[in-house]
Amino acid sequence: DAKTTQPTSMDCAEGRAANLPCNHSTISGNEYVYWYRQIHSQGPQYIIHGLKNNETNEMASLIITEDRKSSTLILPHATLRDTAVYYCIVRGDNAGNMLTFGGGTRLMVKP
Amino acid sequence: DGGITQSPKYLFRKEGQNVTLSCEQNLNHDAMYWYRQDPGQGLRLIYYSQIVNDFQKGDIAEGYSVSREKKESFPLTVTSAQKNPTAFYLCASSISRGDGEQFFGPGTRLTVL
Repeated sequence: DAKTTQPTSMDCAEGRAANLPCNHSTISGNEYVYWYRQIHSQGPQYIIHGLKNNETNEMASLIITEDRKSSTLILPHATLRDTAVYYCIVRGDNAGNMLTFGGGTRLMVKP
Repeated sequence: DGGITQSPKYLFRKEGQNVTLSCEQNLNHDAMYWYRQDPGQGLRLIYYSQIVNDFQKGDIAEGYSVSREKKESFPLTVTSAQKNPTAFYLCASSISRGDGEQFFGPGTRLTVL
């Protein structure tokens, strides 16, 4: 699976949009981009995933560049409860492929 | 409510003792996973199981053992052979091994004294 690069930490003001970038320049054609988050001392939570097209659900939007070498997770109106570590994961669609959690981005939402 | 339960939340053991961590799910998922997380680090895969009576080693299986006698249950034993067992242990499940959407339990924090 392709490697991802994320900033170590980011801050965001409460109520503003949080834009979390992820680079995955070696992604291959059948690999999906997944996003999870982990609130302190809890289990990770699935947020969203996509292949080529932009995706949106009740939690977030995922914007994938046309060349698929990078993506951005957008939390449209960040709240204090969104403070967490956000993991960007690239995973092939083969059933044998596992999720590989790297260091992630620590997002701090501030009042 | 459907979900994954792990017990206990905190566990203390003396060095040299085996300890078994519980993981139960009522989501009717076929696949289950065990991860280890050290402070400030990402998750590392210990073992996974795609079906009852079958399991496979992950990236860091040494010093651990598992069983999958029931679909709902996937206990992890941390043996005395595991050199650095103190960590946060997370169990997860998914509909199948091919499904990238995994549901995680709350975790067990194991401290070996």
